[in-house]
Amino acid sequence: AQSVTQLDSHVSVSEGTPVLLRCNYSSSYSPSLFWYVQHPNKGLQLLLKYTSAATLVKGINGFEAEFKKSETSFHLTKPSAHMSDAAEYFCVVSDRGKLVFGAGTILRVKS
Amino acid sequence: EAQVTQNPRYLITVTGKKLTVTCSQNMNHEYMSWYRQDPGLGLRQIYYSMNVEVTDKGDVPEGYKVSRKEKRNFPLILESPSPNQTSLYFCASSLSRSQETQYFGPGTRLLVL
Repeated sequence: AQSVTQLDSHVSVSEGTPVLLRCNYSSSYSPSLFWYVQHPNKGLQLLLKYTSAATLVKGINGFEAEFKKSETSFHLTKPSAHMSDAAEYFCVVSDRGKLVFGAGTILRVKS
Repeated sequence: EAQVTQNPRYLITVTGKKLTVTCSQNMNHEYMSWYRQDPGLGLRQIYYSMNVEVTDKGDVPEGYKVSRKEKRNFPLILESPSPNQTSLYFCASSLSRSQETQYFGPGTRLLVL
């Protein structure tokens, strides 16, 4: 069975500094991987999706993620954090069409 | 506007009082599913439906029922709610199960006293 581990439950950065949210996955075959974002009291929004076309995936709002098969990682990055990035982020792996969610990482952005 | 809607958005109820949370999508999607979100656990799938009249259990189906009589609607039924079902519930849909990008509703926050 597929699984996802988000290595940090909380990340705090200053506005304008880089963001790194870490995700490791386990999969018995080539996975599809996603990052979703959930702003307070809102639903989930797809940030980006990896489906084996390219290892570096660009998403919305300046986020990107790199698929590293050798490290079984799919870390999410952004060069410069904005206050509006404060939210909870979920790394997700697809198990034959069923989404398996990580526990989430809450990103705090300090002014 | 393409969307998934859920009602109600907030609900407080008492143990044992049957309730239904509705979910509707206007994108002609075949695949629909229900998740619950609990702190530190991410989202866990309750039930899913591949198409009309086709439903199956997810990871945490105990205490829930679903039905899929029409393509656009996928209600979640709690026959006898208990406090451990206090949670945030999300409905999601996608074109098919193999089309993995799912579209999520806004969520229903349920408190069972």
